[in-house]
Amino acid sequence: DAKTTQPTSMDCAEGRAANLPCNHSTISGNEYVYWYRQIHSQGPQYIIHGLKNNETNEMASLIITEDRKSSTLILPHATLRDTAVYYCIVQVTGTASKLTFGTGTRLQVTL
Amino acid sequence: DAMVIQNPRYQVTQFGKPVTLSCSQTLNHNVMYWYQQKSSQAPKLLFHYYDKDFNNEADTPDNFQSRRPNTSFCFLDIRSPGLGDAAMYLCATSRDPGGEQFFGPGTRLTVL
Repeated sequence: DAKTTQPTSMDCAEGRAANLPCNHSTISGNEYVYWYRQIHSQGPQYIIHGLKNNETNEMASLIITEDRKSSTLILPHATLRDTAVYYCIVQVTGTASKLTFGTGTRLQVTL
Repeated sequence: DAMVIQNPRYQVTQFGKPVTLSCSQTLNHNVMYWYQQKSSQAPKLLFHYYDKDFNNEADTPDNFQSRRPNTSFCFLDIRSPGLGDAAMYLCATSRDPGGEQFFGPGTRLTVL
């Protein structure tokens, strides 16, 4: 079973920041938080991951709470092309690792 | 550009007729994965190869098998497709287990 909880859907106006929350209250110390997204009819795309520190790359920022029980993915300036299903996944690294996708959040970016 | 390629993009087969889906990668990654994604559902891992080591998920039906003849190629064989096997099949790679996964565009399988 997926170990994360995300809202089913969210809307965001184009040009505004999209903040996508994720709860992972049972996360273990060796589990990373990964975010992927899936645009309609395409394969999933990696966005960002982190362990306990906040992370930023060219696509997004990841804010992880100090207790690591929740995180927020931030798309700073959402565009229509960011409309997708966003998956938050907790994953150990190493040979036992695998991605277990939950239901994700369907983000709709509108004009 | 280095990438994950899946052929064909669309595959139609008949009930019970064996079918093979193909995945190739130019990333030289050690790990290759196969996922099944049914309509309006999240992708579900079927199995993966870490180099030549095959790792099957416990709930993957015996009807599904895989081959990895070399680093670049991985195949998904469905021995006797049923109507319930109609889905998008996604191939992914990662350099190491637990690393960032790169997905192909998927093959949409229709079973008549």
